[in-house]
Amino acid sequence: AQTVTQSQPEMSVQEAETVTLSCTYDTSESDYYLFWYKQPPSRQMILVIRQEAYKQQNATENRFSVNFQKAAKSFSLKISDSQLGDAAMYFCAYGVFGNEKLTFGTGTRLTIIP
Amino acid sequence: GAVVSQHPSRVICKSGTSVKIECRSLDFQATTMFWYRQFPKKSLMLMATSNEGSKATYEQGVEKDKFLINHASLTLSTLTVTSAHPEDSSFYICSAGTTDTQYFGPGTRLTVL
Repeated sequence: AQTVTQSQPEMSVQEAETVTLSCTYDTSESDYYLFWYKQPPSRQMILVIRQEAYKQQNATENRFSVNFQKAAKSFSLKISDSQLGDAAMYFCAYGVFGNEKLTFGTGTRLTIIP
Repeated sequence: GAVVSQHPSRVICKSGTSVKIECRSLDFQATTMFWYRQFPKKSLMLMATSNEGSKATYEQGVEKDKFLINHASLTLSTLTVTSAHPEDSSFYICSAGTTDTQYFGPGTRLTVL
């Protein structure tokens, strides 16, 4: 069975600084998707970034980028130039396809210090 | 990105009554939708997979007779909490996927008095 582990229950970062959130996973599949979702206080789950396992290039979305290490089964999220609006719970998730069920990590609560 | 709506956003009901929550994919068709439950400060717990035109697939430990799921069209799935009790109070979230991404509704906060 697939598992997703987020070892950092809480993280904090100064505004404008950079922070990295960790995620590891376990799977026997060779093709799959990895996601980072953000859940702000409104509790709406928002897709931050997506990585296809067959792509070697790390995905980037503006200030958000990932470090995808397929052999190590590691998928960390880097947030650059942190902003107050980045404060949220961040969930790492794994799925074989986008329209199949996802396996979520336990989440990391990110606090931005003004 | 694609949009998923959920209605109602909040509902308060009396113990013993039933509550229906709707999940709609607004700009894409979804043969599969998912229902999650989330406790405070916890991760999402998958309750069931809703399949258009067929029976839902429930996760282990989820009572299928209490949480009725109907996926009547490619854009609508409903979750009915039957004979609700205070322990059913929670935050319920639905999602729908394209081939490479899942999108989430805004959630429904259910309070059973």
